[in-house]
Amino acid sequence: KAGVTQTPRYLIKTRGQQVTLSCSPISGHRSVSWYQQTPGQGLQFLFEYFSETQRNKGNFPGRFSGRQFSNSRSEMNVSTLELGDSALYLCASSLGVMDGYTFGSGTRLTVV
Amino acid sequence: AQSVTQLDSQVPVFEEAPVELRCNYSSSVSVYLFWYVQYPNQGLQLLLKYLSGSTLVKGINGFEAEFNKSQTSFHLRKPSVHISDTAEYFCAVINRDDKIIFGKGTRLHILP
Repeated sequence: KAGVTQTPRYLIKTRGQQVTLSCSPISGHRSVSWYQQTPGQGLQFLFEYFSETQRNKGNFPGRFSGRQFSNSRSEMNVSTLELGDSALYLCASSLGVMDGYTFGSGTRLTVV
Repeated sequence: AQSVTQLDSQVPVFEEAPVELRCNYSSSVSVYLFWYVQYPNQGLQLLLKYLSGSTLVKGINGFEAEFNKSQTSFHLRKPSVHISDTAEYFCAVINRDDKIIFGKGTRLHILP
């Protein structure tokens, strides 16, 4: 079966711009979680969506937002980009948290 | 609050030698533990998980981990590593909010 698909794979944006990242989960998975990965901070949880509702949220500013559609596809948006937002953004889907996550390959965002 | 500590940020080991990657957790409730692997330029992949039952858990690629409640540890082991095991390994625990919390990761370097 198809894995978790994240688009685009790479992105370069300028400070102050906004960006939207997309994630298509494994078919049948209704939970989608987003993580930010940086060398200094490691993996940091952004938010989780389940059946179009945000179920959990990490400690990120309001510039980071997300949503989930009825087909479980999810998007995350970052507005007013800062240099520190440069990171690998990972999306993961699951049937349930105890099943473990299946991760996409990530979107590498570079803010210049 | 649940958390995980990976004691080593980097572990060098010779090819075909055994390896142990250490993970300690803190939790006051039921413990669900995971190990994930991240190969270069990829997302994370589930290696194995402990939910209950036998304390020795076998995963993919010849890895295994042992849940030790008295030492609050969940160390990952492989009896003989291969160059293809070069990757970053993450230990993770589920917290009260059903979020997966990841450790900082351990980079495994295989020496020829």
